[in-house]
Amino acid sequence: DAGITQSPRHKVTETGTPVTLRCHQTENHRYMYWYRQDPGHGLRLIHYSYGVKDTDKGEVSDGYSVSRSKTEDFLLTLESATSSQTSVYFCAISGVGSSYEQYFGPGTRLTVT
Amino acid sequence: GIQVEQSPPDLILQEGANSTLRCNFSDSVNNLQWFHQNPWGQLINLFYIPSGTKQNGRLSATTVATERYSLLYISSSQTTDSGVYFCAVQNRDDKIIFGKGTRLHILP
Repeated sequence: DAGITQSPRHKVTETGTPVTLRCHQTENHRYMYWYRQDPGHGLRLIHYSYGVKDTDKGEVSDGYSVSRSKTEDFLLTLESATSSQTSVYFCAISGVGSSYEQYFGPGTRLTVT
Repeated sequence: GIQVEQSPPDLILQEGANSTLRCNFSDSVNNLQWFHQNPWGQLINLFYIPSGTKQNGRLSATTVATERYSLLYISSSQTTDSGVYFCAVQNRDDKIIFGKGTRLHILP
């Protein structure tokens, strides 16, 4: 158990509403990541963070923003949810010592109606 | 950007059989990992293997970085091995790219 939790685990929301997903770690890992998983696409990186207040875009960042004000928390925000953002969202952590080995959270299933 | 291709996309085997899953990548990488996603959706680390060979019970992995591929071997398959196996590489910009996975189904 790498000490990663995600909340909420399931959410149904309406198109146009804002949504924030939270990733929390207890392991003091430097790097945190948000991925989405969709059938036929595998896992795609949305945003990642390499330290407090240091973030960068991944391959599918449009429509998403992130914030990391504390080492342990990484928030993913959908400012105005769309049906195309219905997906399973995974948080991951890495970066203890010189290792970049990634560990994943349990996932959040988001449905936008 | 770097391309990661996994083969085969799907594999159905009888319990007890052996299998080899392959991951090819198009450019030099700093790191490579193998993951198993079980039928409940949980992603589990199998190997962190930028180069060389590692073994863990019935599973082993080999990465030949100079030839840009990695292999995951599963011996004496069990039904609990079913799921999707992902390869993920970290490129020189520290971005991590996943392959689309190999779906493995072990029949009892």
